[in-house]
Amino acid sequence: NAGVTQTPKFQVLKTGQSMTLQCAQDMNHEYMSWYRQDPGMGLRLIHYSVGAGITDQGEVPNGYNVSRSTTEDFPLRLLSAAPSQTSVYFCASSTQGRRAEAFFGQGTRLTVV
Amino acid sequence: GENVEQHPSTLSVQEGDSAVIKCTYSDSASNYFPWYKQELGKGPQLIIDIRSNVGEKKDQRIAVTLNKTAKHFSLHITETQPEDSAVYFCAASSPDGGNKLVFGAGTILRVKS
Repeated sequence: NAGVTQTPKFQVLKTGQSMTLQCAQDMNHEYMSWYRQDPGMGLRLIHYSVGAGITDQGEVPNGYNVSRSTTEDFPLRLLSAAPSQTSVYFCASSTQGRRAEAFFGQGTRLTVV
Repeated sequence: GENVEQHPSTLSVQEGDSAVIKCTYSDSASNYFPWYKQELGKGPQLIIDIRSNVGEKKDQRIAVTLNKTAKHFSLHITETQPEDSAVYFCAASSPDGGNKLVFGAGTILRVKS
């Protein structure tokens, strides 16, 4: 009963390094999204996808890239990490429709030094 | 776009007392309002939701009320227990379409035994 799986759970990067946060879901959900969680700011949408081959920007997309080559996977890429990207990142998936429950992964805690 | 405000940011209650968390939203087109609970080190998990054609919904000790005219909705937890201690987030569906959720900043609930 995997649901939404994120890897890694923890990561420390140096400023300027790149990396990919992995997200996979086994529920055949069309909709997937990435959020970042910062103290006092709730969860803010970075990028989302409504299906394989389709992605779009959310509220805070700068510094991040995404792709969706399969229904199951939705990786988030940091091209050149900055200290401002220190955060906890959550991937979520749901079926289509504005009233569908979102299922979240366990999160990736990223620190950029 | 949609904006969701959540109050209070922290709430301490005695075990057995009730807890109320309030949220307001800005866009009258939003029609889906979920509440998520996040335990330490985990991703958010849906606990209850309400659609705009309903004024109140209950599930055992938790209930949500919605006032569309005033554009606010509230989470009520009765007979609180130590395991209710967590961070709670309200959210509203974005009228931009799809499954995009706009979250409040979160409320840290502490239940003292």
